[in-house]
Amino acid sequence: EIVLTQSPTTMAASPGEKVTLTCRASSSVSYMHWYQQRSGTSPKLWIYETSKLASGVPNRFSGSGSGTSYSLTINSMETEDAATYYCQQGSSYPLTFGSGTKLEIK
Amino acid sequence: QVTLKESGPGMLQPSKTLSLTCSFSGFSLSTSGMVVSWIRQPSGKSLEWLAAIDWDGDKYYNPSLKSRLTVSKDTSNTQVFLKITSVDTADTATYYCARTLLPGYPFFDYWGQGVMVTVSS
Repeated sequence: EIVLTQSPTTMAASPGEKVTLTCRASSSVSYMHWYQQRSGTSPKLWIYETSKLASGVPNRFSGSGSGTSYSLTINSMETEDAATYYCQQGSSYPLTFGSGTKLEIK
Repeated sequence: QVTLKESGPGMLQPSKTLSLTCSFSGFSLSTSGMVVSWIRQPSGKSLEWLAAIDWDGDKYYNPSLKSRLTVSKDTSNTQVFLKITSVDTADTATYYCARTLLPGYPFFDYWGQGVMVTVSS
């Protein structure tokens, strides 16, 4: 099983600040997918295949990485971006998720 | 418009069998490439992929729970079911069903609203 480790666990950012969330895989994966989950709601696909933005995702978001190290970046933090973000790998079964990064607004 | 909706008992006792239904519209599970998965999330914790069934009827399970899981679909290809046997308090969670479109490296593009399940005596 591929274990995904996300860092930081929790962070707070000010409006306008650049934010980078990291996901590290225990083995090399071909792509990484990311989900946003606001409190009390279902996860939403946010970034797929490492760098492709899901429909409706603002272009201040971007994704990058390869092998065992991936990241999600917000160019300029906005209030609405406060949520928990999960990474997920689809390179091998069982499909696995990271433990999440809770992003708060300062 | 793709929608999925989970339904289940809400609460059940330890050692019982949990039966969940995912009803969906906007796509058919008979279409090549379609996959529906079950994913759960204990309160305040991360997500755990449980099982999936594809358009061909092939089934995939998380090895950590495989002996307790059964995934199936109906003949109209608009519902997917999950059974978990011998539940205990560790199975208390919100259960989601979600769609995947293959080929590729599976990800979940549509999710249901989730159904909360509490295991308690």
